[in-house]
Amino acid sequence: EAQVTQNPRYLITVTGKKLTVTCSQNMNHEYMSWYRQDPGLGLRQIYYSMNVEVTDKGDVPEGYKVSRKEKRNFPLILESPSPNQTSLYFCASSPLPLQSSEQYFGPGTRLTVT
Amino acid sequence: AQTVTQSQPEMSVQEAETVTLSCTYDTSESDYYLFWYKQPPSRQMILVIRQEAYKQQNATENRFSVNFQKAAKSFSLKISDSQLGDAAMYFCAYRRGGAGGTSYGKLTFGQGTILTVHP
Repeated sequence: EAQVTQNPRYLITVTGKKLTVTCSQNMNHEYMSWYRQDPGLGLRQIYYSMNVEVTDKGDVPEGYKVSRKEKRNFPLILESPSPNQTSLYFCASSPLPLQSSEQYFGPGTRLTVT
Repeated sequence: AQTVTQSQPEMSVQEAETVTLSCTYDTSESDYYLFWYKQPPSRQMILVIRQEAYKQQNATENRFSVNFQKAAKSFSLKISDSQLGDAAMYFCAYRRGGAGGTSYGKLTFGQGTILTVHP
């Protein structure tokens, strides 16, 4: 089954404790992206990647890191999480060229930072 | 920068009735795509319908259709014969066209509209 998976689905952590949210897709998509969803703000892009070793900042990259060492994986790293990073996170992937292609979303990761 | 605005935080509809969700956007681009996503309580993001800006004809997917007014930068979603399973948060989203460049592929989302369907 074609899908985007994220782990963990739920995470409660404390301020400053490094964490990684994994994202993997099995559709051989070149394009991958991370979004965060906050009430009243919709979803906002954090980082995106056009292909292996090619990443770039989105609208809200502060406090986050990403890597793209393999085509299928695009982990989101929070080196020192803070309470304002409490949010719902989504990974998405799409083939290139994008044109009108659908972006496939993962199931979301609910992160709480205390 | 592109912006997307959904001015209706909440909407409600009776089962089998029709409801329209509003969305406006701002862009200086001529090549772009517009989308409506549905987010049920499961939180999964589900693509409902898409519209290419260069197409004058409004997109339709079964009970879902859009009213795309390019000059007015308006992109509303009409749900006909509403069903209980349509209850969800709905997001309008914009993506610029072209190939490559900064923020290529980025979806810009509106704030969302919560749709309640009454039996």
